[in-house]
Amino acid sequence: SQKIEQNSEALNIQEGKTATLTCNYTNYSPAYLQWYRQDPGRGPVFLLLIRENEKEKRKERLKVTFDTTLKQSLFHITASQPADSATYLCALVPDTGNQFYFGTGTSLTVIP
Amino acid sequence: NAGVMQNPRHLVRRRGQEARLRCSPMKGHSHVYWYRQLPEEGLKFMVYLQKENIIDESGMPKERFSAEFPKEGPSILRIQQVVRGDSAAYFCASSPEGQGAGYTFGSGTRLTVV
Repeated sequence: SQKIEQNSEALNIQEGKTATLTCNYTNYSPAYLQWYRQDPGRGPVFLLLIRENEKEKRKERLKVTFDTTLKQSLFHITASQPADSATYLCALVPDTGNQFYFGTGTSLTVIP
Repeated sequence: NAGVMQNPRHLVRRRGQEARLRCSPMKGHSHVYWYRQLPEEGLKFMVYLQKENIIDESGMPKERFSAEFPKEGPSILRIQQVVRGDSAAYFCASSPEGQGAGYTFGSGTRLTVV
């Protein structure tokens, strides 16, 4: 069956360090993959999109990699700040169909 | 640009009542999606609509749930005869024409069935 797994444990890191979050998937053929941020009581906010033929994408302090051989995406936040504390969701978009498939998210806390 | 507007933010219904959740997409967005989020679970797709058309309702429960996106007005997710298991956060998202874009989500409606 199809499965998307994100870091099962909450991630705590020191301010200024790089946070790395993982998204592993099985039995999908994603056309592209997206990362979202979700704060408590709010809807997810779109951050980055990476296509299957792209290895890496950057946006300010954010970097996403996509390895279709390993079936994995890594999401990095460099020079992390307490304001980066949130839950981060990955979403796969298959090459057919209309829906996005979301992981359960990883809770990140950046400690001042 | 007000973004995706959902109302109400919180909705409490007794078992057996009807729940109506509304969603106004971002200006210029013609695609609307509804997702449900249960505690400790990921967002689960329910339905994808364009104006006056249901494009994909493969995630909708077979009974009691319906959705529409009329020519005028917001998209409506309707749950009839609610049960406790319907308690969840319901998110609406919109996107512009075509694939390759991220969704813009609303802040959600938190439905509690008592």
